[in-house]
Amino acid sequence: AQSVTQPDIHITVSEGASLELRCNYSYGATPYLFWYVQSPGQGLQLLLKYFSGDTLVQGIKGFEAEFKRSQSSFNLRKPSVHWSDAAEYFCAVGAGGGATNKLIFGTGTLLAVQP
Amino acid sequence: GAGVSQSPSNKVTEKGKDVELRCDPISGHTALYWYRQSLGQGLEFLIYFQGNSAPDKSGLPSDRFSAERTGGSVSTLTIQRTQQEDSAVYLCASSLRGNTIYFGEGSWLTVV
Repeated sequence: AQSVTQPDIHITVSEGASLELRCNYSYGATPYLFWYVQSPGQGLQLLLKYFSGDTLVQGIKGFEAEFKRSQSSFNLRKPSVHWSDAAEYFCAVGAGGGATNKLIFGTGTLLAVQP
Repeated sequence: GAGVSQSPSNKVTEKGKDVELRCDPISGHTALYWYRQSLGQGLEFLIYFQGNSAPDKSGLPSDRFSAERTGGSVSTLTIQRTQQEDSAVYLCASSLRGNTIYFGEGSWLTVV
């Protein structure tokens, strides 16, 4: 069965520091992978997605993620974190036979940013 | 509309009552999804509608949960005989088939 693991429940970084949020997936075929961000009291916003092609994908707000098939990973990175990046981040894999028929989400990583 | 609209944004109900949550997807989007987000949990898939196809109900946790989508647009998620464990944020989302899923801001349900 498809699944997504985000091993870090809570991460704290200093403003200006680099960030990497981990995501591992389990899926039998080529996965469709997504990162979403949820700010307090807000809905989910898509940061970036990987369907095929270049394994390094660029997203909004300066985020990027790299698909590594050999490691079944899709880690999210940002070179310099801003205080406004404090939020919860969700990795997801598209399942159900289509790119977005059904998304399976990880349990999320809550990011805190220290001044 | 410009985005996925959900109502009510907050609902407090007594245990045993029925509740209805409404979702108005982005105009023209053929796919509609319901997810549930409980405290400390990830997002749990509930149900998926795509056009006129039979919905994928594989995520509904019990027969107290049901959903319908009228006219291929607005959807209503109904929870009958609510229980305290039903307290959660219910998120609706929509997409054009095979494209990015856009989420609403959710309906916060509290069962007391």
